[in-house]
Amino acid sequence: ETGVTQSPTHLIKTRGQQVTLRCSSQSGHNTVSWYQQALGQGPQFIFQYYREEENGRGNFPPRFSGLQFPNYSSELNVNALELDDSALYLCASSLPGPGGQFFGPGTRLTVL
Amino acid sequence: GQQLNQSPQSMFIQEGEDVSMNCTSSSIFNTWLWYKQDPGEGPVLLIALYKAGELTSNGRLTAQFGITRKDSFLNISASIPSDVGIYFCAGQGIQGAQKLVFGQGTRLTINP
Repeated sequence: ETGVTQSPTHLIKTRGQQVTLRCSSQSGHNTVSWYQQALGQGPQFIFQYYREEENGRGNFPPRFSGLQFPNYSSELNVNALELDDSALYLCASSLPGPGGQFFGPGTRLTVL
Repeated sequence: GQQLNQSPQSMFIQEGEDVSMNCTSSSIFNTWLWYKQDPGEGPVLLIALYKAGELTSNGRLTAQFGITRKDSFLNISASIPSDVGIYFCAGQGIQGAQKLVFGQGTRLTINP
C-alpha cells in the first residue's frame, strides 16, 4: 500500500509569483485535504476535495485554489505569493466521513 | 484560525517517565485524533477516538475522548528516546468537509 506522496519537497519563490504543489493520495482514498503549517504552529485547514469538487474551505483567500483529478491526486495552486505564505504545506488523504486523515511529508515553501 | 488549547507546550522528561498532555476546546467535536510529527515530516496518526468517554490504547499510548466532547488527553507510559517529537491533538466535526482543527502542539524532549 502506497502512502501519501507530495512534490516538490522544497520550493523557493519570490513575492508575486505563482506556485503549484502536487499530492498523490494513499491507495483507496478518494478525499484529499490541504493544510498550511506555519513554523511552530499546528496545521490550518485550507480546503478539501472529494469527487473532483471542492468540499469545504477554511479561512484562506481565493488566490489559494485547487484541483482533484480522476485518480484522486490533487494540486494546490497559490497565486500572487506573499511573504506570509512561507510555510509547510501538507496534503492528507482519507475516505469520506469521520476518521483519520493520513498526511504526506509536506512541501516546504519559502517566499522571498 | 480556530485552534484547540493544548498543554503543556513543551515537556522535558527523563527516559522511562510517564507523560500526560491534554487538549481542550470551546466547541464540541465528534472525533478526536492524536498525531506525532517529527522534524521535516508530516504528522503521523497515533490514535483516533470516535465516542464520548472512549478510552483507546496503542501500545504504550493511551488516549481518552472527554465526556463533554470538548476535551481529550494522551498518556505515554515508560517513555523511550524515539518518543521525542511534537504531539498534536485534532478535533473533527461532523458537518461538511470534516476538517481537522489542530492544537498548537506539545514538544516532548527526553533526557537519556
